[in-house]
Amino acid sequence: AQSVTQLDSQVPVFEEAPVELRCNYSSSVSVYLFWYVQYPNQGLQLLLKYLSGSTLVKSINGFEAEFNKSQTSFHLRKPSVHISDTAEYFCAVSGPSGTYKYIFGTGTRLKVLA
Amino acid sequence: KAGVTQTPRYLIKTRGQQVTLSCSPISGHRSVSWYQQTPGQGLQFLFEYFSETQRNKGNFPGRFSGRQFSNSRSEMNVSTLELGDSALYLCASSSRTGTGFGYTFGSGTRLTVV
Repeated sequence: AQSVTQLDSQVPVFEEAPVELRCNYSSSVSVYLFWYVQYPNQGLQLLLKYLSGSTLVKSINGFEAEFNKSQTSFHLRKPSVHISDTAEYFCAVSGPSGTYKYIFGTGTRLKVLA
Repeated sequence: KAGVTQTPRYLIKTRGQQVTLSCSPISGHRSVSWYQQTPGQGLQFLFEYFSETQRNKGNFPGRFSGRQFSNSRSEMNVSTLELGDSALYLCASSSRTGTGFGYTFGSGTRLTVV
């Protein structure tokens, strides 16, 4: 069965510092990988995704994630965070072909401190 | 372009009652999915519809049901509500079939069962 592990439930970091949110997945087949962000009282917004090709994917607001097949990881990074990045971040993998669903991690709450 | 619209935003119901939640996908999107989000279980897949057909259902009891109309709008129904059904229910839509294209989520309906 597929699963996603986000080891850090909370990550506090000072403004302008770098951050890495960790995501590991388990799957016996090829998967698509996603990072979603959820701001308070809102739904999930797609941050970035890996489908195939270049293992480094980037978002428009400075986040990037690297797919590492050997380590089954898809960690999210940002070199310099802003207060506005405070949110909960969810890593997800696509379910088995034909299931039309995501399997989400438990989320990491990023808190950016002034 | 309007996003995914979920109504109502907040709902309070009593144990044993039933509830219907509504989701209007982005215009032109034919795939609609529903997820339940709780602090304890995280994001759990409920069901997915495409062109009025339910293609997959998550591991939830039969009290949870849904449907999709010809205009792609979707509803989910929960009968005989239990306290544990209190959650944020998220609807997501996609223009393409398959999870690789990413889903756009609504802001959710927060259901409280008392």
